[in-house]
Amino acid sequence: DIVMTQSPDSLAVSLGERATINCKSSQSVLYSSNNNNYLAWYQQKPGQPPKLLIYWASTRESGVPDRFSGSGSGTDFTLTISGLQAEDVAVYYCQQYFDTPWTFGHGTKVEIK
Amino acid sequence: ELQLVESGGGLVKPGGSLRLSCAASGFTFNSYSMNWVRQAPGKGLEWVSSISSGNSYIYYADSVKGRFTISRDNAKNSLYLQMNSLRAEDTAVYYCARVQIAAAGNDHWGRGTLVTVSS
Repeated sequence: DIVMTQSPDSLAVSLGERATINCKSSQSVLYSSNNNNYLAWYQQKPGQPPKLLIYWASTRESGVPDRFSGSGSGTDFTLTISGLQAEDVAVYYCQQYFDTPWTFGHGTKVEIK
Repeated sequence: ELQLVESGGGLVKPGGSLRLSCAASGFTFNSYSMNWVRQAPGKGLEWVSSISSGNSYIYYADSVKGRFTISRDNAKNSLYLQMNSLRAEDTAVYYCARVQIAAAGNDHWGRGTLVTVSS
């Protein structure tokens, strides 16, 4: 199974500042035939289901604010929230869909400092 | 409006069975693969099972293989999860989630149904 390791477990960021979450996969999730990274990012607020933010490692889902961006390739990925807003308080998960079982990171909790 | 609505959760004793349902609306159900994903109380997300649009491909997490069965009825726009031999560690909120075209993650999720396995 591909193990997804997120860091940090939690972070507190001031409003308007940048939040950076890292995700490392135990093996590459880059499919060489199409040059796509099979990596997604989700946001989950308390009492709500997850919401897809980013797929193919860097493609923003429709309707997601452009302060959310994804980067990285192969085994190392980053979700950046540029200019944290109060409504961004949530747990963020990375997920690989390169191979079954699809696996998630353990989550990173983002709070306001 | 696209909707996924799960039902069928509840309290069941260890060793018991439950059948979860997910009613889909607002999109062409038979064009999409579907997943079940669960979340134990206070824990992270765990993929459980996937089924392709035409039932050709079915996958399970090792933790449920041999005990859970995923199925779908495209005529009824419905997804199912038959859960047998339930264990305490199966206690979780179970979400049904649509798989994006090109299998690029889960783009729509239901609100989930809680399954509690306890004596």
